[in-house]
Amino acid sequence: EVQLVESGGGLVQPGSPLKLSCAASGFTFSSNWLNWIRQAPGKGLEWVASINPDGSSTYYPDTVKGRFVVSKDNAKNTGYLQMNNLRSEDTAMYYCARTSGEYWGQGVMVTVSS
Amino acid sequence: DIVMTQAPLSVSVTPGESASISCRSSKSLLHSNGITYVYWYLQKPGKSPQLLIYRMSNLASGVPDRFSGSGSETDFTLKISRVEAEDVGIYYCGQLLENPFTFGSGTKLEIK
Repeated sequence: EVQLVESGGGLVQPGSPLKLSCAASGFTFSSNWLNWIRQAPGKGLEWVASINPDGSSTYYPDTVKGRFVVSKDNAKNTGYLQMNNLRSEDTAMYYCARTSGEYWGQGVMVTVSS
Repeated sequence: DIVMTQAPLSVSVTPGESASISCRSSKSLLHSNGITYVYWYLQKPGKSPQLLIYRMSNLASGVPDRFSGSGSETDFTLKISRVEAEDVGIYYCGQLLENPFTFGSGTKLEIK
């Protein structure tokens, strides 16, 4: 059974860093892209990061470029999203998803507030 | 960035009837490889999104064949035949042709 399980969310102050993890199982993690998508409370979906199967290429929208860093450890079947200099507008549920979104995690909440 | 525009904002459907949701992209989603990179997702209340349709017209694994996707290079339709109570939620179209990947604003489906 394919599973993606996010962890690492929480309440942080503006300007703080936070690192999310996405533990994968049930498929060949090293052969798949990994995406991070977020959803602010009551809002729609916003893609925030992608990484290719071997981790050599990463992509971000302008809203997070320079602040967020996506990575993956294929030996540990785990993906990561390092979020730096967090802002109130980064408050959202963060999901990791495989490749084209055929599998999603349950999401982890990140709240940025003083 | 490619803008994805969905309509309507919400739709109310009687069980057993059909529903259609439209999505328009600001740029052609047809790749030179012949694949159209539009996807449809459903987010049921309190749940993570799930993939319904990939590459415009392909049914994702485990999705009932009451769901179908069609379209052209920039105009796309998700059709739900014989709507059931379990189909309630918010439907999103998304484009995975180029970065940044973008989604429509969503269409809420309710049951009458």
